[in-house]
Amino acid sequence: NAGVMQNPRHLVRRRGQEARLRCSPMKGHSHVYWYRQLPEEGLKFMVYLQKENIIDESGMPKERFSAEFPKEGPSILRIQQVVRGDSAAYFCASSPMTHRRVGYGYTFGSGTRLTVV
Amino acid sequence: AQSVTQLGSHVSVSEGALVLLRCNYSSSVPPYLFWYVQYPNQGLQLLLKYTTGATLVKGINGFEAEFKKSETSFHLTKPSAHMSDAAEYFCAVSENRDDKIIFGKGTRLHILP
Repeated sequence: NAGVMQNPRHLVRRRGQEARLRCSPMKGHSHVYWYRQLPEEGLKFMVYLQKENIIDESGMPKERFSAEFPKEGPSILRIQQVVRGDSAAYFCASSPMTHRRVGYGYTFGSGTRLTVV
Repeated sequence: AQSVTQLGSHVSVSEGALVLLRCNYSSSVPPYLFWYVQYPNQGLQLLLKYTTGATLVKGINGFEAEFKKSETSFHLTKPSAHMSDAAEYFCAVSENRDDKIIFGKGTRLHILP
């Protein structure tokens, strides 16, 4: 039973390029959450998606960042025209339902470490 | 809005000594509370959680945490530290009406031989 799969594990982009981060949730999980981790800052919530729907994007920067979770395929976090400040670890998590119903918590992937040069 | 404060970004304890990692939360409704552990270059792994019921929660690897509503705290403890416990630990909160989990800034635990 594969866990949450994120790829690539490491991604290097030059300033101005696009970064695409992929997340395949655990089998049977229909809810996906994206977090960004910066040194000494912990994990910051970015966006919560269900299949074909964005439920909460209150943590997403207003520009250059977008996320989707199509009916088929993985969830994608897309960063356009990357800048050095986008360098961080991006984590995806999934849950089988709205976790609050059972206090499930999340299952996390191993993250994608984005470096902008 | 909910928030989490972890006291001490770095904590060092000797092998075999008590581990105590502090966490205080803010929530306007009864919260769900979590502790996660992160080993280097890995994702986060759930250690334990409090939802309802018994306020002393036992988790994996010998860790436990106690929910104290009057103190708005959820401190993580382990009676005897092991070298393999060296990692970063995150306390997290979720209000039962809100699906997203809010994380603290983390505490890096160092184990001294």
